[in-house]
Amino acid sequence: GAVVSQHPSWVICKSGTSVKIECRSLDFQATTMFWYRQFPKQSLMLMATSNEGSKATYEQGVEKDKFLINHASLTLSTLTVTSAHPEDSSFYICSADPASGVAQPQHFGDGTRLSIL
Amino acid sequence: QQPVQSPQAVILREGEDAVINCSSSKALYSVHWYRQKHGEAPVFLMILLKGGEQKGHEKISASFNEKKQQSSLYLTASQLSYSGTYFCGTASQGGSEKLVFGKGTKLTVNP
Repeated sequence: GAVVSQHPSWVICKSGTSVKIECRSLDFQATTMFWYRQFPKQSLMLMATSNEGSKATYEQGVEKDKFLINHASLTLSTLTVTSAHPEDSSFYICSADPASGVAQPQHFGDGTRLSIL
Repeated sequence: QQPVQSPQAVILREGEDAVINCSSSKALYSVHWYRQKHGEAPVFLMILLKGGEQKGHEKISASFNEKKQQSSLYLTASQLSYSGTYFCGTASQGGSEKLVFGKGTKLTVNP
């Protein structure tokens, strides 16, 4: 089955630090990846759509300069939370879509729990 | 637009059945169902495409009523391992289209 690896799984850092999260599709190529944020006991909220070789598409209300997304290859997308503050603490999850042209399940990484002190 | 899930929470005894509904005000192309356990990433259950199909996966099945833009997830003879939060994600176009997730239904199965 399709496997998505996300790293790191847990980050604790001081306010003002920038944090990079990696999302890799291990056994398939992903032209599209999605980044979600999930606060405790809430739903998955889409932050942005990451497209290989082009700029990411951000959802309304998500700061592009704060959440930098890079999708440099068909197997890797990165999310960098710049100058993180306590309100950025959340569970960040990526998903990858094999994009065969027919609706396919999104495969989720294991998530990254980010805690900003 | 976020789909509406009901009920918000369900408590069952092992062996009982449950139905979780997901409704949208937009025309849908597909509905995806996921289960998430506490502290973990969502796990894919099944996907339904427009056309009013029904799918099954062991004792978990689902239907998609295109006319009503509603999908239902059926859990029969529930097991302890079914506990978790169930999310439906909806897409209005085919291909690599983003999903909009409902708020989730928390299912608790007790012995």
